Amino acid sequence: DVKVTQSSRYLVKRTGEKVFLECVQDMDHENMFWYRQDPGLGLRLIYFSYDVKMKEKGDIPEGYSVSREKKERFSLILESASTNQTSMYLCASSLFPPGRNSPLHFGNGTRLTVT
Amino acid sequence: TQLLEQSPQFLSIQEGENLTVYCNSSSVFSSLQWYRQEPGEGPVLLVTVVTGGEVKKLKRLTFQFGDARKDSSLHITAAQPGDTGLYLCAGVRFSWGKLQFGAGTQVVVTP
Repeated sequence: DVKVTQSSRYLVKRTGEKVFLECVQDMDHENMFWYRQDPGLGLRLIYFSYDVKMKEKGDIPEGYSVSREKKERFSLILESASTNQTSMYLCASSLFPPGRNSPLHFGNGTRLTVT
Repeated sequence: TQLLEQSPQFLSIQEGENLTVYCNSSSVFSSLQWYRQEPGEGPVLLVTVVTGGEVKKLKRLTFQFGDARKDSSLHITAAQPGDTGLYLCAGVRFSWGKLQFGAGTQVVVTP
């Protein structure tokens, strides 16, 4: 079974702090994704990576950046946390890109609160 | 505005009843996926539909992809408390596209 592990289940940070959310997958997947999930809005794509050398902006990249130094690890960085970034953050990986009908395998999420 | 609109937003039923969840769009999708998410966990894939008019069954769950590939439905027969969860549809518009999610339908099945 694919395992996607997010390093923290809960985080509380202060406005202006730099925040790192870590994600590791153990199935040698090329493709990794960061989503945020908010009630009534579903999952919105922040950043994705189809290759260790490649990072692409998703639908809501403002205020975020990512790092993918190794194939199995994809980190989401909040450069200067703000209260509107309080949310559930979900990391996912897949064997193929979404257009090839490859399922996403999700971690259990990190609930971030910015005060 | 969501590209994929799910309805209803919330559904509460008794064990043994049937229910249907809808996922609609004005756009054509090359494929649609359905996920279920339980509290404290990430979404888990239930099914992928790729052909217009396709019907797939997973035990008591029946998934249908519309003929025009703009909509999909999930029907649960004789719901059980274990069916409780957030049901999410997600679609890809092009072979090179990103996966877009609907807002989800929260289903609660009480004993």
